[in-house]
Amino acid sequence: KAGVTQTPRYLIKTRGQQVTLSCSPISGHRSVSWYQQTPGQGLQFLFEYFSETQRNKGNFPGRFSGRQFSNSRSEMNVSTLELGDSALYLCASSLVGRGNTIYFGEGSWLTVV
Amino acid sequence: GEDVEQSLFLSVREGDSSVINCTYTDSSSTYLYWYKQEPGAGLQLLTYIFSNMDMKQDQRLTVLLNKKDKHLSLRIADTQTGDSAIYFCAETPSYNFNKFYFGSGTKLNVKP
Repeated sequence: KAGVTQTPRYLIKTRGQQVTLSCSPISGHRSVSWYQQTPGQGLQFLFEYFSETQRNKGNFPGRFSGRQFSNSRSEMNVSTLELGDSALYLCASSLVGRGNTIYFGEGSWLTVV
Repeated sequence: GEDVEQSLFLSVREGDSSVINCTYTDSSSTYLYWYKQEPGAGLQLLTYIFSNMDMKQDQRLTVLLNKKDKHLSLRIADTQTGDSAIYFCAETPSYNFNKFYFGSGTKLNVKP
């Protein structure tokens, strides 16, 4: 069974640009969540999608957005990039129901210069 | 939000046992997890424990939960150099089990 797949793995962007990251969940998983990992802030929850609807949202500015498609694949977008957006962006997928565990992808390393 | 705290570093010798500790504040936590992150990689689920359990053992891993003190620990027996990584504890509250709260991670260094 294939794991969570994230693309691209590495990217460099310039301040002010926008970026789109993609995540394909484990087959059969309908919930996809996104996390930002930085050395200073650790792992912070961005948002979670289920059946194309955002169910949960963390405390990030509106520049961070996401969506989920009917095949459960998800994308997240960051507009007007800032230097502080440099981070590892992790996607995780899970089955639904109580006690579900989340499985992470390898992440997308974003560097903003 | 809920706080999950871990010590930042732990250093042990190969063959010794490692104990990584975690404390959390949310008394409604239902599931508590341990994840491992190797350099340049995502998080790998190691194990998890339901809040009505005190202990769970899985090969070299033992998870102990003290719900009264809101303290979770992960013991790794016979620690190997391949166990060197960052270990994250995480919890999900009963009111929102789709949202995970992570600790800052404990960097385990295993010396040969």
